[in-house]
Amino acid sequence: EVQLVESGGGLVQPGGSLRLSCAASGFTFNNYWMHWVRQAPGKGLVWVSRINSDGSSTSNADSVKGRFTISRDNAKNTLYLQMNSLRAEDTAVYYCARDHGGKADYWGQGTLVTVSS
Amino acid sequence: DIQMTQSPSTLSASVGDRVTITCRASQSISSWLAWYQQKPGKAPKLLIYKASSLESGVPSRFSGSGSGTEFTLTISSLQPDDFATYYCQHYNNYLITFGQGTRLEIK
Repeated sequence: EVQLVESGGGLVQPGGSLRLSCAASGFTFNNYWMHWVRQAPGKGLVWVSRINSDGSSTSNADSVKGRFTISRDNAKNTLYLQMNSLRAEDTAVYYCARDHGGKADYWGQGTLVTVSS
Repeated sequence: DIQMTQSPSTLSASVGDRVTITCRASQSISSWLAWYQQKPGKAPKLLIYKASSLESGVPSRFSGSGSGTEFTLTISSLQPDDFATYYCQHYNNYLITFGQGTRLEIK
């Protein structure tokens, strides 16, 4: 069974940093691209970042460029999102999702990040 | 950047109704479109990919159509479990873009 389990969310002050993790199981992790998608409270889904299967290529939404870094450790079957210079508008539930031919076919349950003083 | 626009934003319907949600792309995206269902407090669930392919395990009352810039998601006969928010999503080799969502509520 495919499982994606996010962790690392919490309350952080503006300007602070946080690293999210997504532990993958039930599939061959190093065969798949992965995404981070976020959802602010009461709002829609917004794509944040993606990484290819071996970690050699990444893309980020303009809103997080220069602040967020996606990475992966295929030996640990884990996806990461390093978030720096956090702002109030980064407050959201962050989901990791598996990419299968462009569609996001499996999602984690999400982890909440709250940026507030 | 390609923009995805869904309509309507909110749709009120009754059990048994046939409903259609529209998604328009700001430029042609061929058939690179997916549809998701999301319930409150839950992760999105993939329903349709490549505009009209039904994801495994998804009931056949869900269907998708379209290509180019205009796409539709149709639910042939609404069931109580279908009241949720629906998102379209464009994907290419580099990134994904979501529509703003359509909330399907009980009339």
